[in-house]
Amino acid sequence: SQQGEEDPQALSIQEGENATMNCSYKTSINNLQWYRQNSGRGLVHLILIRSNEREKHSGRLRVTLDTSKKSSSLLITASRAADTASYFCASPNDYKLSFGAGTTVTVRA
Amino acid sequence: DGGITQSPKYLFRKEGQNVTLSCEQNLNHDAMYWYRQDPGQGLRLIYYSQIVNDFQKGDIAEGYSVSREKKESFPLTVTSAQKNPTAFYLCASSIVSANNQPQHFGDGTRLSIL
Repeated sequence: SQQGEEDPQALSIQEGENATMNCSYKTSINNLQWYRQNSGRGLVHLILIRSNEREKHSGRLRVTLDTSKKSSSLLITASRAADTASYFCASPNDYKLSFGAGTTVTVRA
Repeated sequence: DGGITQSPKYLFRKEGQNVTLSCEQNLNHDAMYWYRQDPGQGLRLIYYSQIVNDFQKGDIAEGYSVSREKKESFPLTVTSAQKNPTAFYLCASSIVSANNQPQHFGDGTRLSIL
C-alpha cells in the first residue's frame, strides 16, 4: 500500500536554480527517507530524517519534516545537470517502507 | 566494493514460461526485498526476507515466488500465473528488517513479454 505521495509529479528547472518537492503521508511515522533514481537505475538513499527532527542537511540537500501536517519537503539548492532524476519519499510501514510515485526533476543546462 | 548485483539486466519471457531473476549482495545484510516498478509509479513490494530461510509476502505477491537459502542470495521467480509481468524489478537489502534502516538497491532487471 502506498503511504507517501510526492508533489509535483514533474519539475523542470534551469541549472543553478533550487528545486523543491513535497511528500505527504497518512499515518504517524518515526522517520522518513528520501531516495533518488537515475533513469534505468536502482534507487540511491539520500537522507533519513527522524520524527524528532525538523530539518536535516546533506551537502546541497535540505529536508524538512512537519509531523503535525504529515508532510516533508526536499530542497535541492544550486541544481546541476547531474541532479536530473526521480526523487522518492519512503515512509515506514510495519517493518517495511512504502514509496510514493516520485517527482521527476529535469535540470536544463 | 560492496553492493547488490542483479542479473540479467534485460529478460524476455514467453507465454507460459517461468523466469528467475537473480539478486546477490555482499553487504552482509540480513534483510532483502523485491520490488516491482511500473512506468510513472512508485515501488510496490513483492516479497521480503528478514533472515535466511524466512520470507513474507508483500503487497503484490501473487504470481511470484522466492527463496532465501543463503544470506547473500534472494532470487525471484516470475511464474506463468503472473499475467502482466512486464515491469522493472528492483532488489534491495538493509542491515536488518526495520523501517528506520536505509535500503541499498541493485540496478534492476527489466522484464518484457515476447
